[in-house]
This record gives sequence, structure tokens and C-alpha cells, in this order.
Amino acid sequence: SQTIHQWPATLVQPVGSPLSLECTVEGTSNPNLYWYRQAAGRGLQLLFYSVGIGQISSEVPQNLSASRPQDRQFILSSKKLLLSDSGFYLCAWSPPSRETQYFGPGTRLLVL
Amino acid sequence: GDSVTQMEGPVTLSEEAFLTINCTYTATGYPSLFWYVQYPGEGLQLLLKATKADDKGSNKGFEATYRKETTSFHLEKGSVQVSDSAVYFCALSLKAAGNKLTFGGGTRVLVKP
Repeated sequence: SQTIHQWPATLVQPVGSPLSLECTVEGTSNPNLYWYRQAAGRGLQLLFYSVGIGQISSEVPQNLSASRPQDRQFILSSKKLLLSDSGFYLCAWSPPSRETQYFGPGTRLLVL
Repeated sequence: GDSVTQMEGPVTLSEEAFLTINCTYTATGYPSLFWYVQYPGEGLQLLLKATKADDKGSNKGFEATYRKETTSFHLEKGSVQVSDSAVYFCALSLKAAGNKLTFGGGTRVLVKP
């Protein structure tokens, strides 16, 4: 069966520090991968998605970036965090060309 | 653009009460529709889905019917439990848009014993 992992689970970072969040999927090949952000008390916003290694599409302008160095690995990064980057970051995967997405447990980021 | 609108919460109910969460959508084309549930401190879990008009998705006592004529996908449960306390998200996806999910704002449900 397929599983999706995210780490760390919780992160507290100072403003201006770098960020790296990791997401990995097991038990499938060539998944579509997604990064979402959920601000406190609000809905989900799609940040990035990827249909293959090295293929990243950005949905919103921001100081975050994403990379997919391996088929089942998706990384969310920032060179300098802003206060507004605080939130709950969710990674999701779907089988290629399929519509249902499956979510990881999330990373809670607090920027101080 | 495509969008999903769902009723704002919080919705507070007593155990065994009937739950309805309204969801309407706007989309160019024929979307697939989803309900996801988020329990406190966790990620999202797929609750149910429907891929075409008049389909009914169901799971764990929850139901939702894809109503094309009213562009709606309301979630219902006949008798809620304390364990149903969570945030519920309605979402749509379109193949033409690469199957990306568009979410509503979420509805927090609190069930009291």
C-alpha cells in the first residue's frame, strides 16, 4: 500500500532563516505531487505541483520554492522566511492522471 | 475561475443530531467533487467523492449527491457522534486543469455529548 511521509512534524524558525520541508511517497511510481498551505483558520491554497522529476509548476508568487530531485521526493524550500510563511504545510500525491489526492500528516511551521 | 463555496462554521451539534454542510461550486466543465475531513492536528483524509451528475458518494455514514442543476454537493449525516468533530472541506477537480484540487474554506463541526 501507498504511504506518504512529511517531516518535520513541527518547526519553529526565526524570520530570515532558511527552510526545507520534505515529503516522500512510498509504494507507487511516478506520482503527481502537491504542496498546499493552510493558514490558521483558513482553507487550503495550492502552492506547487509536479508531474515528474524536475518538473515544478508554481501556483502563487511567493518566496517559497519547490524541487523534486527524485521520483517520490518533493521538497519545499525558502532562502529567507517571512512571518507570513507561518502555517500548516500539507503534501499530497495522486496516481498519474488520476483525480483523487492523498494527503500527508502535515508540517506545522511557526515563524517568529 | 473555478471556485467552491461552503457554509462557514463553526457548526455545533449534539450527539445523534442530523448534520448538513452546504457546498456549491462554479466550474468551467464537469468537475469531480470531493469531501475531505481534517481531524484536529492531522492532515486531510478523503471522506467521499462523486465523479458525475447524480452520483452519490458515501462513507462512514456520510453522504453527498452531485447535483449538476444546482451545482451543489451538500454533505449529510443522519446521526453524528463526538468523533465526527473535525473540519470538513469540499473540493473540486477538473481534468482540463490537470486534476488540481480547488478547496472551499472549510467548515468546522463540533459535536457535543
